[in-house]
Amino acid sequence: QKEVEQDPGPLSVPEGAIVSLNCTYSNSAFQYFMWYRQYSRKGPELLMYTYSSGNKEDGRFTAQVDKSSKYISLFIRDSQPSDSATYLCAMRLAGRRALTFGSGTRLQVQP
Amino acid sequence: NAGVTQTPKFQVLKTGQSMTLQCAQDMNHNSMYWYRQDPGMGLRLIYYSASEGTTDKGEVPNGYNVSRLNKREFSLRLESAAPSQTSVYFCASSEDGVLDTIYFGEGSWLTVV
Repeated sequence: QKEVEQDPGPLSVPEGAIVSLNCTYSNSAFQYFMWYRQYSRKGPELLMYTYSSGNKEDGRFTAQVDKSSKYISLFIRDSQPSDSATYLCAMRLAGRRALTFGSGTRLQVQP
Repeated sequence: NAGVTQTPKFQVLKTGQSMTLQCAQDMNHNSMYWYRQDPGMGLRLIYYSASEGTTDKGEVPNGYNVSRLNKREFSLRLESAAPSQTSVYFCASSEDGVLDTIYFGEGSWLTVV
């Protein structure tokens, strides 16, 4: 079983929809949680970074962490065609630098 | 500001050939990483280097060697390429702080035939 599970999609939504992307993890020692966005043929870029349970908001993006359920989410409000990309969740253990990634969810926002 | 630069971007190798992927960062970061990305597998850590002169194995190190040449450069070598090493390779770097962002390069597409 992978340490981090993520539905690969693809997820297709109409422009303006609210998108919910999710990851579950098995290792309760993960302390830091990130969401990366990856456009086709490009490297991942950091979207959101959080280390506590609860919600963190940045513009149209909200990251949610529930450590008791070992579940993290990324919500995208008013989705745009430019949001079409693969979204990767990533996690880090306390005291470690390297990240453990989910397999990524491909999102397509239809105009 | 170039960030993390990888070369080459595309490469086709025959089974058994060797090659080196080059990576350089201009952000004065201490830590550097090599990941591979395969369909359905996400990014998996091959090797990382916490500082110049130190390297450590990640999740999938077999078949690879690395060199941290100096603070800027971290190379990945395939001594005898195998079809299972067909993948997209990403170099990344970060500062040492717990909350520091990991920055990725654009990727190197490697096909072993």
